[in-house]
Amino acid sequence: AQSVTQPDIHITVSEGASLELRCNYSYGATPYLFWYVQSPGQGLQLLLKYFSGDTLVQGIKGFEAEFKRSQSSFNLRKPSVHWSDAAEYFCAVNSGAGSYQLTFGKGTKLSVIP
Amino acid sequence: GAVVSQHPSWVICKSGTSVKIECRSLDFQATTMFWYRQFPKQSLMLMATSNEGSKATYEQGVEKDKFLINHASLTLSTLTVTSAHPEDSSFYICSARGGAGQGHNSPLHFGNGTRLTVT
Repeated sequence: AQSVTQPDIHITVSEGASLELRCNYSYGATPYLFWYVQSPGQGLQLLLKYFSGDTLVQGIKGFEAEFKRSQSSFNLRKPSVHWSDAAEYFCAVNSGAGSYQLTFGKGTKLSVIP
Repeated sequence: GAVVSQHPSWVICKSGTSVKIECRSLDFQATTMFWYRQFPKQSLMLMATSNEGSKATYEQGVEKDKFLINHASLTLSTLTVTSAHPEDSSFYICSARGGAGQGHNSPLHFGNGTRLTVT
């Protein structure tokens, strides 16, 4: 069974600082990987996804993520955080092969200090 | 892009009453929709898979008689929380895969969620 671990429950960064949110997955083959963001009171929004190809993926809002097979990781990064980035971030895995199910990590809450 | 509309976004109901939540795919047909529940400080939990024209498939531990799912058309699935209790208070989110041409590995498109509070 696939699983996703987001080791950091809560991260606080200063506005303008760089950000890295960690995500590790457990799955036998190469999964399809996603990062979603959930702002307070809102639904989930897809930031970026990785299916295959270039392991460095660019997403919306200036985010990027890098797939590292050897580390089973798919960490999310942003060079300079804005106050509006404060939200909860979820890493998710889909085993592909026609599977509809997504397995989500428990999320990382990001707080931004002005 | 593909849009999933979920209604209502917020509902308060009294214990013992039933609440219906709608999930619509606005510009594509969804033969399959998914219902999730989010517990505080926890990740989303898949409750059930809603199949158009057939019975929903529930995940282990989810009460079928309490969480009624109906997928009457290719663009609408409903979740009815019957005889709601305070412990049913949660954030419910639906999702659907994009329509034809987008492939079965396309990301799921999520509704904005419904915050249910049972008093």
